Amino acid sequence: AQKITQTQPGMFVQEKEAVTLDCTYDTSDQSYGLFWYKQPSSGEMIFLIYQGSYDEQNATEGRYSLNFQKARKSANLVISASQLGDSAMYFCAMRGGRIQGAQKLVFGQGTRLTINP
Amino acid sequence: GAVVSQHPSRVICKSGTSVKIECRSLDFQATTMFWYRQFPKQSLMLMATSNEGSKATYEQGVEKDKFLINHASLTLSTLTVTSAHPEDSSFYICSARGAQGVFGNTIYFGEGSWLTVV
Repeated sequence: AQKITQTQPGMFVQEKEAVTLDCTYDTSDQSYGLFWYKQPSSGEMIFLIYQGSYDEQNATEGRYSLNFQKARKSANLVISASQLGDSAMYFCAMRGGRIQGAQKLVFGQGTRLTINP
Repeated sequence: GAVVSQHPSRVICKSGTSVKIECRSLDFQATTMFWYRQFPKQSLMLMATSNEGSKATYEQGVEKDKFLINHASLTLSTLTVTSAHPEDSSFYICSARGAQGVFGNTIYFGEGSWLTVV
Protein backbone atom coordinates (compact mmCIF):
# COMPACT_ATOMS: atom_id res chain seq x y z
CA ALA A 1 0.00 0.00 0.00
CA GLN A 2 1.09 3.53 -0.66
CA LYS A 3 1.33 6.13 2.05
CA ILE A 4 2.19 9.81 2.15
CA THR A 5 3.17 11.52 5.37
CA GLN A 6 3.29 15.25 5.97
CA THR A 7 4.42 15.88 9.51
CA GLN A 8 3.93 19.65 9.63
CA PRO A 9 0.30 20.56 10.30
CA GLY A 10 1.14 24.24 10.15
CA MET A 11 4.02 26.47 9.11
CA PHE A 12 4.50 30.19 9.68
CA VAL A 13 7.05 32.02 7.55
CA GLN A 14 8.01 35.64 7.04
CA GLU A 15 7.41 37.09 3.60
CA LYS A 16 10.36 36.74 1.20
CA GLU A 17 11.88 33.90 3.16
CA ALA A 18 12.27 30.43 1.69
CA VAL A 19 10.20 27.60 3.15
CA THR A 20 10.48 23.84 2.99
CA LEU A 21 7.42 21.64 3.34
CA ASP A 22 8.20 18.07 4.27
CA CYS A 23 6.83 14.98 2.60
CA THR A 24 7.84 11.36 3.02
CA TYR A 25 6.33 8.46 1.19
CA ASP A 26 6.17 4.72 1.28
CA THR A 27 5.61 2.45 -1.68
CA SER A 28 6.73 -0.88 -3.04
CA ASP A 29 6.29 0.29 -6.63
CA GLN A 30 9.37 0.91 -8.72
CA SER A 31 7.58 3.43 -10.90
CA TYR A 32 5.68 6.21 -9.20
CA GLY A 33 5.09 9.91 -9.35
CA LEU A 34 5.02 12.57 -6.70
CA PHE A 35 2.93 15.71 -6.83
CA TRP A 36 2.49 18.87 -4.84
CA TYR A 37 -0.76 20.78 -4.90
CA LYS A 38 -1.78 24.08 -3.37
CA GLN A 39 -5.30 24.46 -2.04
CA PRO A 40 -6.39 28.01 -1.19
CA SER A 41 -9.49 28.67 0.87
CA SER A 42 -11.62 28.57 -2.30
CA GLY A 43 -10.99 24.83 -2.43
CA GLU A 44 -9.50 24.38 -5.86
CA MET A 45 -6.45 22.14 -6.15
CA ILE A 46 -3.68 23.93 -7.98
CA PHE A 47 -0.96 21.75 -9.46
CA LEU A 48 2.49 22.98 -8.51
CA ILE A 49 5.12 20.45 -9.42
CA TYR A 50 5.70 16.83 -10.42
CA GLN A 51 8.59 14.43 -9.88
CA GLY A 52 8.81 11.03 -11.52
CA SER A 53 10.58 8.26 -9.69
CA TYR A 54 13.03 7.81 -12.54
CA ASP A 55 13.78 11.49 -12.96
CA GLU A 56 17.40 12.05 -12.09
CA GLN A 57 17.13 15.76 -11.57
CA ASN A 58 14.99 17.55 -9.05
CA ALA A 59 11.93 19.16 -10.58
CA THR A 60 11.67 22.94 -10.63
CA GLU A 61 8.80 25.22 -11.60
CA GLY A 62 9.48 28.88 -11.09
CA ARG A 63 9.70 29.51 -7.34
CA TYR A 64 8.89 25.90 -6.58
CA SER A 65 11.43 23.12 -6.45
CA LEU A 66 11.15 19.58 -5.26
CA ASN A 67 13.97 18.15 -3.19
CA PHE A 68 13.73 14.50 -4.20
CA GLN A 69 15.75 12.09 -2.10
CA LYS A 70 14.81 8.66 -3.35
CA ALA A 71 16.84 6.64 -0.86
CA ARG A 72 15.19 8.50 2.01
CA LYS A 73 11.80 8.39 0.29
CA SER A 74 11.31 12.08 0.73
CA ALA A 75 9.97 14.70 -1.65
CA ASN A 76 10.08 18.04 0.09
CA LEU A 77 8.69 21.16 -1.55
CA VAL A 78 10.82 24.26 -1.43
CA ILE A 79 9.24 27.65 -2.06
CA SER A 80 11.74 30.42 -2.58
CA ALA A 81 11.04 34.06 -1.83
CA SER A 82 7.65 33.39 -0.28
CA GLN A 83 4.77 35.75 -0.99
CA LEU A 84 1.59 36.57 0.91
CA GLY A 85 -0.37 34.77 -1.80
CA ASP A 86 1.42 31.56 -0.95
CA SER A 87 -0.66 31.22 2.20
CA ALA A 88 -2.73 28.09 1.64
CA MET A 89 -2.96 24.40 2.35
CA TYR A 90 -0.33 22.30 0.61
CA PHE A 91 -0.76 18.63 -0.20
CA CYS A 92 1.84 16.10 -1.21
CA ALA A 93 0.44 13.23 -3.25
CA MET A 94 1.64 10.07 -4.92
CA ARG A 95 0.48 8.04 -7.86
CA GLY A 96 1.73 4.63 -8.64
CA GLY A 97 0.84 1.09 -9.47
CA ARG A 98 -0.26 -0.19 -12.82
CA ILE A 99 -2.80 0.92 -15.40
CA GLN A 100 -5.69 2.68 -13.68
CA GLY A 101 -3.92 2.55 -10.36
CA ALA A 102 -1.27 4.72 -11.89
CA GLN A 103 -3.71 7.57 -12.04
CA LYS A 104 -5.03 7.34 -8.51
CA LEU A 105 -3.60 9.79 -6.07
CA VAL A 106 -2.93 9.15 -2.41
CA PHE A 107 -2.70 12.34 -0.42
CA GLY A 108 -0.84 13.36 2.68
CA GLN A 109 -2.55 15.12 5.56
CA GLY A 110 -1.56 18.52 4.29
CA THR A 111 0.40 21.45 5.68
CA ARG A 112 -1.18 24.83 6.25
CA LEU A 113 1.31 27.50 5.29
CA THR A 114 0.86 31.04 6.53
CA ILE A 115 3.04 33.83 5.18
CA ASN A 116 3.38 36.77 7.53
CA PRO A 117 4.05 40.28 6.19
CA GLY B 1 -6.41 28.21 -17.84
CA ALA B 2 -8.32 25.34 -16.30
CA VAL B 3 -8.06 22.00 -18.03
CA VAL B 4 -10.72 20.36 -15.89
CA SER B 5 -13.96 22.17 -15.19
CA GLN B 6 -16.44 21.30 -12.47
CA HIS B 7 -19.99 22.56 -12.04
CA PRO B 8 -21.68 23.76 -9.92
CA SER B 9 -19.14 25.30 -7.61
CA ARG B 10 -21.67 25.60 -4.82
CA VAL B 11 -25.02 23.93 -4.38
CA ILE B 12 -27.56 23.82 -1.59
CA CYS B 13 -30.22 21.15 -1.66
CA LYS B 14 -32.95 19.91 0.59
CA SER B 15 -32.59 16.69 2.49
CA GLY B 16 -34.00 13.78 0.50
CA THR B 17 -33.40 15.29 -2.91
CA SER B 18 -30.69 14.41 -5.43
CA VAL B 19 -28.00 16.66 -6.78
CA LYS B 20 -25.73 16.23 -9.80
CA ILE B 21 -22.17 17.49 -10.13
CA GLU B 22 -20.44 17.60 -13.49
CA CYS B 23 -16.76 17.21 -14.27
CA ARG B 24 -15.50 18.06 -17.75
CA SER B 25 -12.08 17.71 -19.28
CA LEU B 26 -11.29 20.63 -21.54
CA ASP B 27 -9.20 20.20 -24.67
CA PHE B 28 -8.37 16.58 -23.93
CA GLN B 29 -10.11 13.25 -23.64
CA ALA B 30 -10.16 11.55 -20.28
CA THR B 31 -11.12 7.89 -20.33
CA THR B 32 -10.74 7.85 -16.59
CA MET B 33 -11.70 10.45 -14.04
CA PHE B 34 -11.63 10.35 -10.28
CA TRP B 35 -13.97 11.69 -7.64
CA TYR B 36 -12.71 12.76 -4.24
CA ARG B 37 -14.40 13.97 -1.11
CA GLN B 38 -12.88 16.33 1.39
CA PHE B 39 -14.19 17.10 4.86
CA PRO B 40 -13.24 20.39 6.50
CA LYS B 41 -9.60 20.56 7.51
CA GLN B 42 -8.95 17.07 6.23
CA SER B 43 -7.24 15.57 3.25
CA LEU B 44 -8.82 14.34 0.04
CA MET B 45 -10.23 10.84 0.03
CA LEU B 46 -10.81 8.96 -3.18
CA MET B 47 -14.42 7.92 -3.59
CA ALA B 48 -14.46 6.23 -6.97
CA THR B 49 -12.89 5.84 -10.36
CA SER B 50 -15.09 6.87 -13.25
CA ASN B 51 -14.55 4.80 -16.39
CA GLU B 52 -15.86 5.96 -19.75
CA GLY B 53 -18.36 3.48 -21.11
CA SER B 54 -18.34 1.17 -18.12
CA LYS B 55 -19.26 1.02 -14.46
CA ALA B 56 -17.43 3.08 -11.93
CA THR B 57 -15.08 1.44 -9.47
CA TYR B 58 -15.85 2.44 -5.90
CA GLU B 59 -13.47 2.56 -2.99
CA GLN B 60 -14.19 0.51 0.06
CA GLY B 61 -16.88 2.02 2.23
CA VAL B 62 -18.40 4.23 -0.47
CA GLU B 63 -22.06 3.49 -1.20
CA LYS B 64 -22.42 3.07 -4.94
CA ASP B 65 -26.20 3.41 -4.81
CA LYS B 66 -25.89 6.70 -3.03
CA PHE B 67 -23.11 8.20 -5.11
CA LEU B 68 -24.00 7.45 -8.70
CA ILE B 69 -21.26 8.02 -11.23
CA ASN B 70 -21.80 8.20 -14.95
CA HIS B 71 -19.05 8.66 -17.53
CA ALA B 72 -21.07 9.00 -20.69
CA SER B 73 -18.43 10.59 -22.88
CA LEU B 74 -14.69 11.04 -23.04
CA THR B 75 -14.96 14.53 -21.62
CA LEU B 76 -17.74 14.30 -19.05
CA SER B 77 -18.24 12.47 -15.78
CA THR B 78 -21.11 13.16 -13.41
CA LEU B 79 -21.54 12.42 -9.72
CA THR B 80 -25.10 12.28 -8.44
CA VAL B 81 -25.68 12.31 -4.71
CA THR B 82 -29.02 10.59 -4.26
CA SER B 83 -31.40 11.08 -1.33
CA ALA B 84 -29.01 13.58 0.14
CA HIS B 85 -28.64 13.88 3.89
CA PRO B 86 -26.94 16.63 5.90
CA GLU B 87 -23.98 14.32 6.53
CA ASP B 88 -23.37 14.30 2.77
CA SER B 89 -22.48 17.97 3.01
CA SER B 90 -18.89 18.17 1.90
CA PHE B 91 -16.47 19.37 -0.74
CA TYR B 92 -16.42 17.13 -3.81
CA ILE B 93 -13.67 17.40 -6.38
CA CYS B 94 -12.84 15.51 -9.54
CA SER B 95 -9.57 14.89 -11.33
CA ALA B 96 -8.37 13.66 -14.70
CA ARG B 97 -5.01 12.80 -16.14
CA GLY B 98 -3.91 14.59 -19.25
CA ALA B 99 -3.14 12.62 -22.38
CA GLN B 100 0.42 11.54 -22.88
CA GLY B 101 2.42 13.93 -24.98
CA VAL B 102 0.02 16.80 -24.37
CA PHE B 103 -0.24 17.29 -20.63
CA GLY B 104 2.19 14.58 -19.73
CA ASN B 105 1.95 12.98 -16.34
CA THR B 106 0.12 15.83 -14.68
CA ILE B 107 -3.14 15.09 -12.95
CA TYR B 108 -5.49 18.05 -13.00
CA PHE B 109 -8.34 18.82 -10.69
CA GLY B 110 -11.60 20.58 -11.20
CA GLU B 111 -12.49 23.62 -9.16
CA GLY B 112 -14.48 21.53 -6.70
CA SER B 113 -18.09 21.66 -5.59
CA TRP B 114 -19.31 22.66 -2.16
CA LEU B 115 -22.46 20.69 -1.32
CA THR B 116 -24.67 21.77 1.56
CA VAL B 117 -27.68 19.64 2.42
CA VAL B 118 -30.26 21.39 4.57
